[in-house]
Amino acid sequence: GNSVTQMEGPVTLSEEAFLTINCTYTATGYPSLFWYVQYPGEGLQLLLKATKADDKGSNKGFEATYRKETTSFHLEKGSVQVSDSAVYFCALSVGGSNYKLTFGKGTLLTVNP
Amino acid sequence: GAGVSQSPRYKVAKRGQDVALRCDPISGHVSLFWYQQALGQGPEFLTYFQNEAQLDKSGLPSDRFFAERPEGSVSTLKIQRTQQEDSAVYLCASARRGSYEQYFGPGTRLTVT
Repeated sequence: GNSVTQMEGPVTLSEEAFLTINCTYTATGYPSLFWYVQYPGEGLQLLLKATKADDKGSNKGFEATYRKETTSFHLEKGSVQVSDSAVYFCALSVGGSNYKLTFGKGTLLTVNP
Repeated sequence: GAGVSQSPRYKVAKRGQDVALRCDPISGHVSLFWYQQALGQGPEFLTYFQNEAQLDKSGLPSDRFFAERPEGSVSTLKIQRTQQEDSAVYLCASARRGSYEQYFGPGTRLTVT
């Protein structure tokens, strides 16, 4: 079956620190990969995506590269801000667009000033 | 325009009661998904509609769970004879045809006592 494993949280960083949140996956078929973010008091929203191997998704200073050889999609940001404090979910779907998402457990990030 | 809305936002039910959770997707979105999110976990897929057709209900945990979308817009998730293990946040998401991005609602937090 399909599954996503992401690093356990919580992660606590100081402002301007470098962020990495690891994500690995197993999938039957060729998955598309996503990072979703949930800010406090808000719903889940798509942060970035990559639909084929070696694609890099990027948004709001965050990046993740689809690595088929290591089945990974690690999230990185060079300099985090207090406003990045949120829960981050790695997810995949198989079968193209408009298909169900399989999520990791989520990683809580807290950025202190 | 308005995003995905869900009602009620909070529901407390006594064990054995039936509940109905409503989702209003973004206008024109043909795809609609329901997910269940237990505390501290990532969302888990329950069921998927394309317009009024329920194309995948493989994630529904038991025959006590039933979902419908009779006119291809509003959807209702019904849980009969609620049990304590049904306590979770129920998320609804919608998507345009051909799009990878799912737009999530704020969720309904169900507590079964």
